[in-house]
Amino acid sequence: EAGVTQSPTHLIKTRGQQATLRCSPISGHTSVYWYQQALGLGLQFLLWYDEGEERNRGNFPPRFSGRQFPNYSSELNVNALELEDSALYLCASRSRGRNTIYFGEGSWLTVV
Amino acid sequence: AQTVTQSQPEMSVQEAETVTLSCTYDTSESDYYLFWYKQPPSRQMILVIRQEAYKQQNATENRFSVNFQKAAKSFSLKISDSQLGDAAMYFCACRGTSYGKLTFGQGTILTVHP
Repeated sequence: EAGVTQSPTHLIKTRGQQATLRCSPISGHTSVYWYQQALGLGLQFLLWYDEGEERNRGNFPPRFSGRQFPNYSSELNVNALELEDSALYLCASRSRGRNTIYFGEGSWLTVV
Repeated sequence: AQTVTQSQPEMSVQEAETVTLSCTYDTSESDYYLFWYKQPPSRQMILVIRQEAYKQQNATENRFSVNFQKAAKSFSLKISDSQLGDAAMYFCACRGTSYGKLTFGQGTILTVHP
């Protein structure tokens, strides 16, 4: 069974541009979570999607947004990129009724 | 709301010895779950062990075990017979069933010396 998959692995963008990161959850999982892990900082919760709806949002500006598709995959969009957005973005998924969250390998975003 | 605190930024252990990583948490929820994740240099978050708060028995997974003290809101991880492959950043995390998200501690870097 495939785990959580994320793409791209690495992405380099210029300040002011937009970045889109994608995530496919484990088959059968309906919840998707996004976390940001910047260098020297811990894991900061970004967004939680469940059954296509945004259920919770972390303390990030509106230029961080996303969505969940009918097949439960998800994308994270970051608009008007700033240098401090450079980080590892981790996606995770969870099955309905279960409590364990499983992570993908992450997408490295570098803003120059 | 939830908070998770790991007070040990770094720990080290000799190969084959035992080490304990500390974690305290706070949550307003009555039903919650606690986790330890390992993040090696590859940066993938790997689940090490989980504990249901309603269970009094401490969880065990091979060389990994926890000491769950619910009244003290403490959740430490014990690694026995440490191996070089155990070297990683370890994160403690809490998830309330109604709140949904996982809240992480700051992490503890574990070094294993041969």
